[in-house]
Formats: sequence, structure tokens, C-alpha cells
Amino acid sequence: EVQLLESGGGLVQRGGSLRLSCAGSGFTFSSYGMSWVRQAPGKGLEWVSAVSDSGGSTNYADSVKGRFTISRDNSKNTLYLQMNSLRDEDTAVYYCAKDLWSGEDWRNWFDPWGQGTLVTVSS
Amino acid sequence: EIVLTQSPATLSLSPGERATLSCRASQSISSYLAWYQQKPGQAPRLLIYDASNRATGIPARFSGSGFGTDFTLTISSLEPEDFAVYYCQQRRNWLITFGGGTKVEIK
Repeated sequence: EVQLLESGGGLVQRGGSLRLSCAGSGFTFSSYGMSWVRQAPGKGLEWVSAVSDSGGSTNYADSVKGRFTISRDNSKNTLYLQMNSLRDEDTAVYYCAKDLWSGEDWRNWFDPWGQGTLVTVSS
Repeated sequence: EIVLTQSPATLSLSPGERATLSCRASQSISSYLAWYQQKPGQAPRLLIYDASNRATGIPARFSGSGFGTDFTLTISSLEPEDFAVYYCQQRRNWLITFGGGTKVEIK
């Protein structure tokens, strides 16, 4: 069974930093693109960032570009999101998600998703 | 940025009724559209991808259609577990976007 388990969320001060992790199991982690998607309390879904299977290609939403860095360690089957210069509007549940299929056409569809980790930015 | 507009925002229906959800894109996205279901306190679940393909394990009562800018998710006969929020998502270009969601609630 494919499983994704996020960790690293918590309460952080405005302007602070946090690193999220997402441990994958039940599939060949190094073969799939991975993404982070967030959901502010009571709001809809917002794609944040994606990384290719090798880690060689990355994409970011404009709202986080220059502040967040996505990376992966395929030897540890783990995806990361380094979040710096955090703002109030970054408060959200952060989900990691696996690409539906592997290959060159990465960043396709999100399946499955992890259970999410809550990040709260406070002054 | 490709904007996805979902309608209606809320759909009030009874079990057994047919649900029709709409997602309109601000420009053509070919068939690069997916639908997700999210229940309270849970992560989203992929239902439909490439506009009309059901994901693994998704019941046949869920179907997707459309191409270009107009897409529809149809639930042929609502089961109690189908009352949830549904999101559409596009991947036509590098900037992935989601619609604002449609809540299907019990009438």
C-alpha cells in the first residue's frame, strides 16, 4: 500500500523558518515526481511546489518562490519543503502528494495524498 | 495563470439524486483536468484524471466529461458517503491551479 507521512509542522513566528518532511513507502519513491499542496483553514487547495523524480527539476507557485525550497532524498524515500521568511498567509495544512504515474510526463495528477501537517504562523 | 471556476458553490441534494458539477477554465486546457473529493478532516482523493478517466477504485457512478474550457463531474446516484467537497485541478502549464470547490450537501 502506498503511504505518505508528513511531519515537521507546528507553530512558528512570522519571519521564521520550518522544514517539512514527507516519508514515502509502498512504492519506488525515486521513480515518481512529488508535490506539496496546501490548504488554509476553511479554504480551498493551493499547489505550492513540485519536484521531478531525480530532483533535477523543480517548480514553485509565485506566492512561495524565493522563500520555499523543495528537495528530496531518494536514498531515504523522503520529500522536503524548506520554508523561510514565513508569513501569516502561509498558515495552512501542507499535504505531500505523489504523481499518479512515473516518467517524463511528471507533475501529472496527485495520487495519493498524505494526511497533512499543520503549519501555523503567528506574530 | 489559468483560473478554474467551479459552480455551483453549494449543491443541496438527496441520496439517490443525480449531481452535476461544473468546472470552467479561463483558457483551453485540452483534457488536462482532474477531479478530487475531500471529506472533512481528510486529505483529498483523486476521482477523475485526464477529464474522463476514473482513478483506481473509484465507483462507476462517478464520471467526468469535457474538453477545452468546460468540464463536468457527474455522480449518477448519490450515496451517503458522496456528500463532500469536490475540486477540479488543471495541469495545462507549469502553474498548477485548483478550482474553488463545490460542496455537495444533504438536502
